[in-house]
Amino acid sequence: DAGITQSPRHKVTETGTPVTLRCHQTENHRYMYWYRQDPGHGLRLIHYSYGVKDTDKGEVSDGYSVSRSKTEDFLLTLESATSSQTSVYFCAISESGQETQYFGPGTRLLVL
Amino acid sequence: AQKVTQAQTEISVVEKEDVTLDCVYETRDTTYYLFWYKQPPSGELVFLIRRNSFDEQNEISGRYSWNFQKSTSSFNFTITASQVVDSAVYFCALSEAGGNNRLAFGKGNQVVVIP
Repeated sequence: DAGITQSPRHKVTETGTPVTLRCHQTENHRYMYWYRQDPGHGLRLIHYSYGVKDTDKGEVSDGYSVSRSKTEDFLLTLESATSSQTSVYFCAISESGQETQYFGPGTRLLVL
Repeated sequence: AQKVTQAQTEISVVEKEDVTLDCVYETRDTTYYLFWYKQPPSGELVFLIRRNSFDEQNEISGRYSWNFQKSTSSFNFTITASQVVDSAVYFCALSEAGGNNRLAFGKGNQVVVIP
């Protein structure tokens, strides 16, 4: 299994507070991704990174920012959490843009 | 834009029956990649298979098999002799070589295997 961890695994927060989720990999893969999973929507891409300090938006990026200062870490920040951001967040990694994406265990976020 | 459709939302089968999950995709790229992932009740996403658009050979892995047909834009997945451990949500996904590396997921098929 690919070495991917996510922290925290569960979080409850209040509307308006900032939240940062961390994805850490030990595979030295160049690409990292953040998805959210919601009932009826499958998984949707929020942001992705194709190298240190290189990031781009996905299809549901509004309200989210990301940072990647090291190959192994990819941070997802909700600047001011809203109830619509209650979801399960998955991080994924791949060696290149066309290779298989392997997923982390997920983070359950509840915004009250 | 790339799109994946998995029509059946929940499928129940009795153990040892076969179950086929349909996946229909849309893309304008000539080079693309198709995937199946399994999400068991524990919640993690497990990679099952990757196919590129130039490889239409069907594949069998144990009780799992995949039928890729470009003519109908389908990439169907069959579980033979289902077992209770096969109970999960199965996602079909597509990425385009010319896209932004996004995996476009279908909405998933919930498979329930009844003992």
